Amino acid sequence: EVKLLESGGGLVQPGGSLRLSCAASGFTFTSYTMTWARQAPGKGLEWVATISGSGGRADYADSVKGRFSISRDNSKNTLFLQMNSLRAEDTAIYFCAKNGLLQWLAHFDSWGQGTLVAVSS
Amino acid sequence: DIQMTQSPSTLSASVGDRVAVTCRASQSISNYLAWYQQKPGKAPKLLIYKASSLASGVPSRFSGSESGTEFTLTISSLQPDDFATYYCLQYYSYSRTFGQGTKVEIK
Repeated sequence: EVKLLESGGGLVQPGGSLRLSCAASGFTFTSYTMTWARQAPGKGLEWVATISGSGGRADYADSVKGRFSISRDNSKNTLFLQMNSLRAEDTAIYFCAKNGLLQWLAHFDSWGQGTLVAVSS
Repeated sequence: DIQMTQSPSTLSASVGDRVAVTCRASQSISNYLAWYQQKPGKAPKLLIYKASSLASGVPSRFSGSESGTEFTLTISSLQPDDFATYYCLQYYSYSRTFGQGTKVEIK
């Protein structure tokens, strides 16, 4: 059974930093592209960033480019999202998700339960 | 970036109704389209991928179709468990985008 467990969320001041983690199990982690998506309170889903299985390729939404960095540790089956220069509009639940196929462009077939990031002074 | 225009934003229906939700892409996305169901406080759940392929374990009352750049999620007979918010996702472009969501409410 695929399991994805996010952690690292919390309250941070504008301009601050936070590092999210997503612990994965139940599948061959290194084989799958992984993604972070987010959902602001009462709003829809927004794609944030995606990283290849090897970690050699990453894509970012324009809204986070230059501020956020996605990475992974395949030896520990863990996905990360380093978030810098945080803004109030980054307040959201952050989900990690697994690609459904062994290819770069694919749907997300499994999601974690999410971790809440609140940016406020 | 590819825009996904989802409609309606809210849909009121009764148990047993046939309902349809539509997503229109701003350009061709082939069949790189998925549908998700989300309930309050929960993670999204995959329903359909590649526009019309049913995800594992999803009831057959859910189906997906495409016509050019217009994609439709149909629930053939709405069940109590189906009242939720539905999102489409295009993954044709490296900049993946979701539709705005459709909330299916009890009439």
